[in-house]
Amino acid sequence: KNEVEQSPQNLTAQEGEFITINCSYSVGISALHWLQQHPGGGIVSLFMLSSGKKKHGRLIATINIQEKHSSLHITASHPRDSAVYICAVSNTGTASKLTFGTGTRLQVTL
Amino acid sequence: EAGVAQSPRYKIIEKRQSVAFWCNPISGHATLYWYQQILGQGPKLLIQFQNNGVVDDSQLPKDRFSAERLKGVDSTLKIQPAKLEDSAVYLCASSFLWGASYNEQFFGPGTRLTVL
Repeated sequence: KNEVEQSPQNLTAQEGEFITINCSYSVGISALHWLQQHPGGGIVSLFMLSSGKKKHGRLIATINIQEKHSSLHITASHPRDSAVYICAVSNTGTASKLTFGTGTRLQVTL
Repeated sequence: EAGVAQSPRYKIIEKRQSVAFWCNPISGHATLYWYQQILGQGPKLLIQFQNNGVVDDSQLPKDRFSAERLKGVDSTLKIQPAKLEDSAVYLCASSFLWGASYNEQFFGPGTRLTVL
């Protein structure tokens, strides 16, 4: 079992839909990261959080430390949101090392 | 502020050949990471440098992979000889702090390697 699990693996949505991507982890963490990877492109950090909730534009990230679970929400989705979304955790004790999930491939259609 | 630079962006080689990738981190970032990302998987850390010293290379296949960061700035990752299973995107990332609880990593565009 991977230390970081994401669901779903693939997601197709129509423009305007509300999207949720889930991440569960099994280790103690100092922070959880949500990253975005476009095809052929590098990885961009969206959020880094250790508690509660963060919002940036149409993106919202939440984390429940007790349940070891985080969600990434996209409101009013748009085709330009199509990308792979990756959850990663910084383990306690090795805070600078990231353990990655396998990613969720999102496609938003018109 | 310039981001993390990597070159080349794409490389195609035959198995048993050698290849080298270059990374220039964000200025002032002490920590540099090399990741391997196989298609459909999340990135896997190959090696982590703090300045010019190696912090973690536990997942680096040392019989064929090597990396250096001689002056604590640029870094090169080499594969010699390459195998088919080395086909992947090689990502370089850098961060300002090491060991801190909040330590954002900034990623380069990656080098896509295809081994035929």
